[in-house]
Amino acid sequence: DAKTTQPTSMDCAEGRAANLPCNHSTISGNEYVYWYRQIHSQGPQYIIHGLKNNETNEMASLIITEDRKSSTLILPHATLRDTAVYYCIVRYSGNTPLVFGKGTRLSVIA
Amino acid sequence: EAGVTQFPSHSVIEKGQTVTLRCDPISGHDNLYWYRRVMGKEIKFLLHFVKESKQDESGMPNNRFLAERTGGTYSTLKVQPAELEDSGVYFCASSQVPLWGGDEKLFFGSGTQLSVL
Repeated sequence: DAKTTQPTSMDCAEGRAANLPCNHSTISGNEYVYWYRQIHSQGPQYIIHGLKNNETNEMASLIITEDRKSSTLILPHATLRDTAVYYCIVRYSGNTPLVFGKGTRLSVIA
Repeated sequence: EAGVTQFPSHSVIEKGQTVTLRCDPISGHDNLYWYRRVMGKEIKFLLHFVKESKQDESGMPNNRFLAERTGGTYSTLKVQPAELEDSGVYFCASSQVPLWGGDEKLFFGSGTQLSVL
């Protein structure tokens, strides 16, 4: 079972920042927080991951709270192509599979 | 660099027939995963190869499913005989073995849409 809780859906205006929350209150010290997304009919796409520190790459930023019990994925300037289901996943090691939950369906509106 | 390639993109078969799905991972990736999404359900893990060895096959639904990765390159997933409930999208993913246990990025293929009639 997924160890994360995410809102079912969110809307965001095009050009604005999309902030997607995730709760992972039972995360253990060695577990990473991963974000993937699935755009309609495509395979899941890696976005970003982190352990303790905030992370930023060309796609997004990941803000992890100090107690690590929650995190927020930030898409700084959402476009229509960012409409997708976003999955927040906690995972310990490469020997354990990614467990996908229901994710958050983000709709970017023009 | 080519991504993860899956073939066929779509397959329509009748109940009781056999289907073989193929996955070509990114060159150099030792980890290969199979996942499945049944309509209306979440994406579910099926199994994990490290090179040619099955690391974890706890997600395989039953013995009608057989996965192979001879030579540690491409992988096949055979369903024999196919049942109606096997319909769904089958995804393959690959990754490099990370230096740190949790620092692993999976790259997914576009999936094979299987319809069993």
